[in-house]
Amino acid sequence: EIVLTQSPGTLSLSPGERATLSCRTSQIVSSRYLAWYQQKPGQAPRLLIYGASSRATGIPDRFSGSGSGTDFTLTISRLEPEDFAVYYCQQYGSSPPEYTFGQGTKLEIK
Amino acid sequence: QVQPQESGPRLVKPSGTLSLTCAVSSDSIRSSDWWTWVRQSPRKGLEWIGEIYRSGSTNYNPSLMSRVTMSVDKSENQFSLRLTSVTAADTAIYYCATSGGYSYSYGAWGQGTLVTVSS
Repeated sequence: EIVLTQSPGTLSLSPGERATLSCRTSQIVSSRYLAWYQQKPGQAPRLLIYGASSRATGIPDRFSGSGSGTDFTLTISRLEPEDFAVYYCQQYGSSPPEYTFGQGTKLEIK
Repeated sequence: QVQPQESGPRLVKPSGTLSLTCAVSSDSIRSSDWWTWVRQSPRKGLEWIGEIYRSGSTNYNPSLMSRVTMSVDKSENQFSLRLTSVTAADTAIYYCATSGGYSYSYGAWGQGTLVTVSS
């Protein structure tokens, strides 16, 4: 099983600042197989980024994804009040078919 | 795309069987998507349980494989999850989800249902 480790566990920033969230995988992962989600309290996760760098429909362009190999990054260029939430990375492994999630990064208002 | 909707008992006794159903649209059940169950608990975070295709083909999380069964009922536009021999560790919010057209990720989620394992 590929393990995803997200850092930091909690990130305290102010609106307008830039947020950089990290996801490190225990084995090399194809960029096609890496996604990012946002989850707010009481809600299901919402897909932000798929294929490591492609934004899902309706996702603002302040959200961007990058990375390859074992290191992936979600960047929020200028934080809006509604961006404070928990963020998860997720990967797909094909042998056997299996999906795994990181433990999450909580983005909180400073 | 119509949001999937989970339903089923919210309380299950230890050693019993957890059974949930996910209602989807008729277009969705005919699509080429795999349909998935994911659960979330404070202890384990987000955990992929497994997936089922409209043909009935399945893939399961190896850690749960011995206790999980998924099925699809195309006539009722729904798919189901059964998890046997449950313990308190199976207490979680259970979500059904599908790619919604996105590769190797989940663009459409149900609202989730909290299932508690307790006597």
